[in-house]
Amino acid sequence: QQQVKQSPQSLIVQKGGISIINCAYENTAFDYFPWYQQFPGKGPALLIAIRPDVSEKKEGRFTISFNKSAKQFSLHIMDSQPGDSATYFCAASYGTSNYKLTFGKGTLLTVNP
Amino acid sequence: DSGVTQTPKHLITATGQRVTLRCSPRSGDLSVYWYQQSLDQGLQFLIHYYNGEERAKGNILERFSAQQFPDLHSELNLSSLELGDSALYFCASAPRAGNTEAFFGQGTRLTVV
Repeated sequence: QQQVKQSPQSLIVQKGGISIINCAYENTAFDYFPWYQQFPGKGPALLIAIRPDVSEKKEGRFTISFNKSAKQFSLHIMDSQPGDSATYFCAASYGTSNYKLTFGKGTLLTVNP
Repeated sequence: DSGVTQTPKHLITATGQRVTLRCSPRSGDLSVYWYQQSLDQGLQFLIHYYNGEERAKGNILERFSAQQFPDLHSELNLSSLELGDSALYFCASAPRAGNTEAFFGQGTRLTVV
């Protein structure tokens, strides 16, 4: 059972454009929603994260929008750059002593120059 | 560089064999998580250790086992290997069991032939 559904699988954006990746979750116990960025040959790196008590969080060109009632959250990358080309994973977790992450399947983002 | 070290980077072995993957967490981190990344299943949580104790198990096969040693490094043991075990194996560390931010190593790519 896939608890976090991510779309699209792949995305091509022109330099300077906005990249939008969406995720939906099923488990209402989730209370931590991070996004990870992974370059080929590297491990996932935490990009930005949000908790359900806020609807939006912005860090530089990266923004998470969160809709608790719809059980959806999304990553927006403003002014996308070729260096942003990577695979992006949304994830979710909950708990107090074990924050195992449930990941989406990933989105391969290509930013054309 | 996340500060998490995984060895070896690449491993090629035959079916039926046993291998050990090693993870050294960031200095001071007590929590170690293991994940498997494959094309069809994506990133899947395997097991979580905190300060030497097993805290949670995910989709880990009975042929797989792990442990965390007093110096906090962790090993993932994979036995009776099958072709389908070919994947990237990541470990991630976090300062405390309840800390949400996990830092991933660069992974071990296991190929079973």
